[in-house]
Amino acid sequence: AQSVTQPDARVTVSEGASLQLRCKYSYSGTPYLFWYVQYPRQGLQLLLKYYSGDPVVQGVNGFEAEFSKSNSSFHLRKASVHWSDSAVYFCVLRDRNSNNRIFFGDGTQLVVKP
Amino acid sequence: EAAVTQSPRNKVTVTGGNVTLSCRQTNSHNYMYWYRQDTGHGLRLIHYSYGAGNLQIGDVPDGYKATRTTQEDFFLLLELASPSQTSLYFCASRADSPSYEQYFGPGTRLTVL
Repeated sequence: AQSVTQPDARVTVSEGASLQLRCKYSYSGTPYLFWYVQYPRQGLQLLLKYYSGDPVVQGVNGFEAEFSKSNSSFHLRKASVHWSDSAVYFCVLRDRNSNNRIFFGDGTQLVVKP
Repeated sequence: EAAVTQSPRNKVTVTGGNVTLSCRQTNSHNYMYWYRQDTGHGLRLIHYSYGAGNLQIGDVPDGYKATRTTQEDFFLLLELASPSQTSLYFCASRADSPSYEQYFGPGTRLTVL
């Protein structure tokens, strides 16, 4: 069955440090994968997406993610975080074989310390 | 720019009350969705629709009805609200191929006392 797991409910990093938020998925085949960000009191906004091709995809605000079929992962990275990156990040899978159903991870809350 | 709006932004009702949450999109998207967001559960799909008059059941539909009156408008109805339905509700519309990106509204916080 399709699923998305974000193993870290909360990650705390210092401003200027590098960041990796983990995402593991379960899917037979190659899924469509997304990272969304939710800032306080707002809806979700798309950061980046992977459909095929180059496994490293670039997103907004310096974020990137790397797809790994062998590891069933789609981890999000940023070289140097800013305090304004504090938010909740969701990894999302779209099932291209099942009417494009969407599966959300539970989210990772990122706290950036000044 | 794509836009999804929701109303009201906040709502308080009592157990057994009747609540309607509204969503409007100006994206000309066919698909629209209603989710609830609770701590520890991420977003869970309640209902969705692929056009006016269509309704599809999501993953947590119990206690909810929905109606898609036009391509733009999608309503979520709680006819006998219960405290377990206290949550943050998001509406979204979805672009077609090749993007399939979902555009989310700002959310409605519902409290059932």
